[in-house]
Amino acid sequence: AQTVTQSQPEMSVQEAETVTLSCTYDTSESNYYLFWYKQPPSRQMILVIRQEAYKQQNATENRFSVNFQKAAKSFSLKISDSQLGDTAMYFCAFMEPYGGATNKLIFGTGTLLAVQP
Amino acid sequence: DTEVTQTPKHLVMGMTNKKSLKCEQHMGHRAMYWYKQKAKKPPELMFVYSYEKLSINESVPSRFSPECPNSSLLNLHLHALQPEDSALYLCASSPQGGGGFTDTQYFGPGTRLTVL
Repeated sequence: AQTVTQSQPEMSVQEAETVTLSCTYDTSESNYYLFWYKQPPSRQMILVIRQEAYKQQNATENRFSVNFQKAAKSFSLKISDSQLGDTAMYFCAFMEPYGGATNKLIFGTGTLLAVQP
Repeated sequence: DTEVTQTPKHLVMGMTNKKSLKCEQHMGHRAMYWYKQKAKKPPELMFVYSYEKLSINESVPSRFSPECPNSSLLNLHLHALQPEDSALYLCASSPQGGGGFTDTQYFGPGTRLTVL
């Protein structure tokens, strides 16, 4: 079964600095999809970025980028120029491709990021 | 527009009450989901509806009863809940429900449920 591991329960970063959140996963599939969601104290789960495993190019969305290392089964999230509004719980998630055994999102346990002024 | 709306935002109910949570999306998505989330934990999938049919039930107790009247609306009917059912209930939708990159799930803001 697929598993997702986030080894950093909590992290802290100064405003305007860069921070990297780690995520590793385990799967025997060759094609799959990876996501980072953030959940601020307001509770809403917001999609941050997504990556297709068959694409070697790392996804980027404004200040958010990923370092996808397929062989190492690693999918880290880099937040540049951190802002106070980035304070949130960040969840890494995995999904099989269409028609896979399951269409479920498999979540990691989350990393609570605090951006300090 | 990637908006999923949920009502109410907060709900307090006794163990003998019957209440319902509502979720709505107007993105033309054909799959809708209910998740339960405890504090500082990831969401746990409860139910999936795909093309208005229940496709996944994660062995959820019968005191939770989902309903999908049409492709835009998803309800969760609650009856005889226990205090341990207190949690944030999240709704999500996705284009198809079959998984994959294009089937990205978009979440609503959640309903904070407290069972007394």
